[in-house]
Amino acid sequence: DTGVSQNPRHKITKRGQNVTFRCDPISEHNRLYWYRQTLGQGPEFLTYFQNEAQLEKSRLLSDRFSAERPKGSFSTLEIQRTEQGDSAMYLCASSLAAVTDTQYFGPGTRLTVL
Amino acid sequence: GESVGLHLPTLSVQEGDNSIINCAYSNSASDYFIWYKQESGKGPQFIIDIRSNMDKRQGQRVTVLLNKTVKHLSLQIAATQPGDSAVYFCAENPPLSGSARQLTFGSGTQLTVLP
Repeated sequence: DTGVSQNPRHKITKRGQNVTFRCDPISEHNRLYWYRQTLGQGPEFLTYFQNEAQLEKSRLLSDRFSAERPKGSFSTLEIQRTEQGDSAMYLCASSLAAVTDTQYFGPGTRLTVL
Repeated sequence: GESVGLHLPTLSVQEGDNSIINCAYSNSASDYFIWYKQESGKGPQFIIDIRSNMDKRQGQRVTVLLNKTVKHLSLQIAATQPGDSAVYFCAENPPLSGSARQLTFGSGTQLTVLP
């Protein structure tokens, strides 16, 4: 499978714990995006990288959220001191910077905060 | 801020009929639009896209129509099949500016195909 992969697929944690999610983009894609999706809503943009540079992070929900892409390949999204309101699907997408820049999504990580 | 929205939250069609899913957008600067299909528990799946210099684009069983005058986008699915049952999102992509490449999604339309 050469699509976007995300791990874990499901994460259950207790309020106050830290969680980290991983995204592996399509191999030749240089852009990587994180979105959050709550039930019944469309995905909401959080942040994106071009290669290892994080070019937009003002839409991260709070300073408890951070993302990295240290070598320009896989990326991690960390949420510190989780809250029940963080429960959602976290989606990763990747694209190849070009005229259309089509984003292809992974299967997502479902986070449940108890 | 400006956003993309959908006219109808749900749509039911008979198997074999054609489906039309509508979307209104408000950002007149957007020059690229995408339709995604999302099945339960899965990530959005790319269906078809269209640039603003076009008014129609066809794929396999799907057609996207763009009316820039009224800022309206539609997805037509021919001969709808049970496997087409899903939530469909339209999304707009801001112009190529070198800044944030963030998709703005509508809330989605649930398509149900009846036997």
